[in-house]
Amino acid sequence: GNSVTQMEGPVTLSEEAFLTINCTYTATGYPSLFWYVQYPGEGLQLLLKATKADDKGSNKGFEATYRKETTSFHLEKGSVQVSDSAVYFCALSDGQGGKLIFGQGTELSVKP
Amino acid sequence: GAGVSQTPSNKVTEKGKYVELRCDPISGHTALYWYRQSLGQGPEFLIYFQGTGAADDSGLPNDRFFAVRPEGSVSTLKIQRTERGDSAVYLCASSQWGFTDTQYFGPGTRLTVL
Repeated sequence: GNSVTQMEGPVTLSEEAFLTINCTYTATGYPSLFWYVQYPGEGLQLLLKATKADDKGSNKGFEATYRKETTSFHLEKGSVQVSDSAVYFCALSDGQGGKLIFGQGTELSVKP
Repeated sequence: GAGVSQTPSNKVTEKGKYVELRCDPISGHTALYWYRQSLGQGPEFLIYFQGTGAADDSGLPNDRFFAVRPEGSVSTLKIQRTERGDSAVYLCASSQWGFTDTQYFGPGTRLTVL
């Protein structure tokens, strides 16, 4: 079945460091891919998405490129801030109604 | 406009009891989803409604779990004979049309079964 695997956390970085959170997926067909973020004390919110191969999703300085050849959707940011501290979830939707299949989440902690 | 709301925010119950969890989606959204999130894990899909009908209930773990959306808006997730393993945060999300539309999540209901 369809699944998503994320790198394990927690990830601890200093402010202005470069961030990569790895995400790979297994799916039949052509899924859409998402990154959701959960800030402390808040609900899940969409960070970015890509709906077809080679698409790049971007938002708030974060980027991820849909790589079909490597079945990956790694999240990157060039310079993290303390306010980026949160749990990040990679997810896919196989288009059959749109249900999301999530990875286990990666906790990011950014220190000043 | 208002986002997805869920009530109660916290629910503590005893093993064997019945509970109902409510979700108010964003007005006009036809698709509604329920997920369950255990500590340290990503959300797991439970059920998806398109309008009033359950289009996909493949994620419901067993027949103690049931959900309804009688008027195509508010939805209620019902759990009978609760077990300690049901303890989790139950999340509701809605989207305008379903499929790859952005899903907007509510704050969740934290269920604790003693």
